[in-house]
Amino acid sequence: DPKIIQKPKYLVAVTGSEKILICEQYLGHNAMYWYRQSAKKPLEFMFSYSYQKLMDNQTASSRFQPQSSKKNHLDLQITALKPDDSATYFCASSRHIANSDYTFGSGTRLLVI
Amino acid sequence: GDSVTQTEGPVTVSESESLIINCTYSATSIAYPNLFWYVRYPGEGLQLLLKVITAGQKGSSRGFEATYNKETTSFHLQKASVQESDSAVYYCALGDQGSNAKLTFGKGTKLSVKS
Repeated sequence: DPKIIQKPKYLVAVTGSEKILICEQYLGHNAMYWYRQSAKKPLEFMFSYSYQKLMDNQTASSRFQPQSSKKNHLDLQITALKPDDSATYFCASSRHIANSDYTFGSGTRLLVI
Repeated sequence: GDSVTQTEGPVTVSESESLIINCTYSATSIAYPNLFWYVRYPGEGLQLLLKVITAGQKGSSRGFEATYNKETTSFHLQKASVQESDSAVYYCALGDQGSNAKLTFGKGTKLSVKS
């Protein structure tokens, strides 16, 4: 059974719309993260959370807003979508914020048209 | 800033042949970087393959090896004899030992092993 669930696997969105990417982890980890991989680019760190508190934000745009309603959830809301937002978004978790042994989800592939 | 450069893919190798995927790094903001190889099999998330936190040490897992070379700032991934099941995308990454567990990744190298 997958330990980190990301939903949906694939998502097509219209420019200007808003979407929420879901991430749930069942590992009992205290730290969660979002990374993004655009075509031909490395995975890029976006956010880190520890005990549901934002620890680091490397995303320049406020259109990207993480939401942590429960300890094991870290959803990602994206507003005013642009074609450049097309990418695969990976959620990850680790035992605690100083532990970089991540477990990753299988990703949500977003296409903005 | 910090960066990781790895072999451009795709790489195709025949089964039982040897493999090397090159990885070099630049750690300008991290005094003592940790180095990682992650693997992503089709349809799955990235999995930690191996990790080395001390320069000069070698990590190994599932027949893969990588040595942390601080002099050449390299962390090449090697396997003596690949199998078809090794077909995947391999990511080199560097991280910090401190309170920030953020990882800096390379672009990934897609490996296809022919039977």
